[in-house]
Amino acid sequence: DTAVSQTPKYLVTQMGNDKSIKCEQNLGHDTMYWYKQDSKKFLKIMFSYNNKELIINETVPNRFSPKSPDKAHLNLHINSLELGDSAVYFCASSQSGTGELFFGEGSRLTVL
Amino acid sequence: GESVGLHLPTLSVQEGDNSIINCAYSNSASDYFIWYKQESGKGPQFIIDIRSNMDKRQGQRVTVLLNKTVKHLSLQIAATQPGDSAVYFCAENIQGTYKYIFGTGTRLKVLA
Repeated sequence: DTAVSQTPKYLVTQMGNDKSIKCEQNLGHDTMYWYKQDSKKFLKIMFSYNNKELIINETVPNRFSPKSPDKAHLNLHINSLELGDSAVYFCASSQSGTGELFFGEGSRLTVL
Repeated sequence: GESVGLHLPTLSVQEGDNSIINCAYSNSASDYFIWYKQESGKGPQFIIDIRSNMDKRQGQRVTVLLNKTVKHLSLQIAATQPGDSAVYFCAENIQGTYKYIFGTGTRLKVLA
């Protein structure tokens, strides 16, 4: 039974398109995250939501818009995709921003 | 702060030997630390954690050491096995801030 699941696992699209990645967790956590992992494996935090409220918003272009319809879901919508957006995007969750951070399997986005 | 790695350091270890992976963390106020293992095509998986009131914690074949004086964390893997080949990350957290900052990662290669 997958704890943090994200879809799609792979996404290939053209520059300028708009795409979304979805994430769901069944751990009962109240905090969810999006991380971006670049080609050098560096994991950078993008956003975090606690009980559906945005609490971390790093210096991410406003083409990226997270949405949390409830505390078990955190989606990421990206407008006007650019080549530099190509990366693996990881969803994660934790309880109240403490303790272990649980990750999904990642969504590899390739922008052509 | 966050570290931006120019390359992913690699540690090559003979099967059966012990491995030591090091991490320098950035914030002296961080009070919770986690080691993650990331296999190819998968999300980071929890290995072991340690809180700042401890300087050593042991798990099954793994030991984490924390030196707060020099802001250094290490992961020791005993009797390294081929299945240990992966990228290893340390993460730091200040409880209550919801933010987990990751180190640049180290690739562990186990030689047969």
